Amino acid sequence: QQPVQSPQAVILREGEDAVINCSSSKALYSVHWYRQKHGEAPVFLMILLKGGEQKGHEKISASFNEKKQQSSLYLTASQLSYSGTYFCGTERFLNSGNTPLVFGKGTRLSVIA
Amino acid sequence: DGGITQSPKYLFRKEGQNVTLSCEQNLNHDAMYWYRQDPGQGLRLIYYSQIVNDFQKGDIAEGYSVSREKKESFPLTVTSAQKNPTAFYLCASSSRQEQFFGPGTRLTVL
Repeated sequence: QQPVQSPQAVILREGEDAVINCSSSKALYSVHWYRQKHGEAPVFLMILLKGGEQKGHEKISASFNEKKQQSSLYLTASQLSYSGTYFCGTERFLNSGNTPLVFGKGTRLSVIA
Repeated sequence: DGGITQSPKYLFRKEGQNVTLSCEQNLNHDAMYWYRQDPGQGLRLIYYSQIVNDFQKGDIAEGYSVSREKKESFPLTVTSAQKNPTAFYLCASSSRQEQFFGPGTRLTVL
C-alpha cells in the first residue's frame, strides 16, 4: 500500500520551518526520505529504522513513530536550496533488506526569498 | 568515485521500436531496481533484482524486460508492447537498506 504524504504542497519564506508527514496503513520497519529537484533524480536524505533514534541531516531531521506507522520530516530555518519535491518510501516487504520501496506521491516544497 | 550511471540521458523512440536503457553501478550492491516516473507523479516499480541471474516483476512490468547477468549491470528494455512509454526512468541500487538512484533516462516516443 502506498504511503500517504501531507501536505501535497507548501510554500515557505526563507528561514521558516516546515513539517512533512508520511503515514502508512501497514506496519513499517523503515522509512526512507528523498528530495527531488525538477528534472533530476531523487537524492537520498535519510533512513529511519524501527527502534532507531530521530535522525538529522544539516537542518533537516526526521522522526519515526512505529506504533502510529508514521514518519515526519522537519525542515528548520529553510533555505532556497531546500526547494523540491520530497518523497517518503516504505519497504515493500517487511523486515527485509534490499526490498523495493513504495513511494508516496510527494510533497512539493517551494522556498521563496 | 562509486555511483550509479544511466545512459543515455535522453532517448527518442519511434513507435514500434524496442529500446534498451543502460544501468551500471560500481557500489558492489546486490540489489538493483527500475522505477518509472510520470510528470508530477511518484515512482512506480517496474522490475527488481536482489541477486545476479534473478529478477522479479514490479507493479507495471507489462511491456518491459530486464536481465541481470552481472552484479553491476541491470539493463531495461522497453518493448513495442509498452503502450505509453514516454516517462522518466530511474535505476536504483541498494545494499541492505539505503537505496540510491542513478541520474535517470528521459524517454520520449515520437
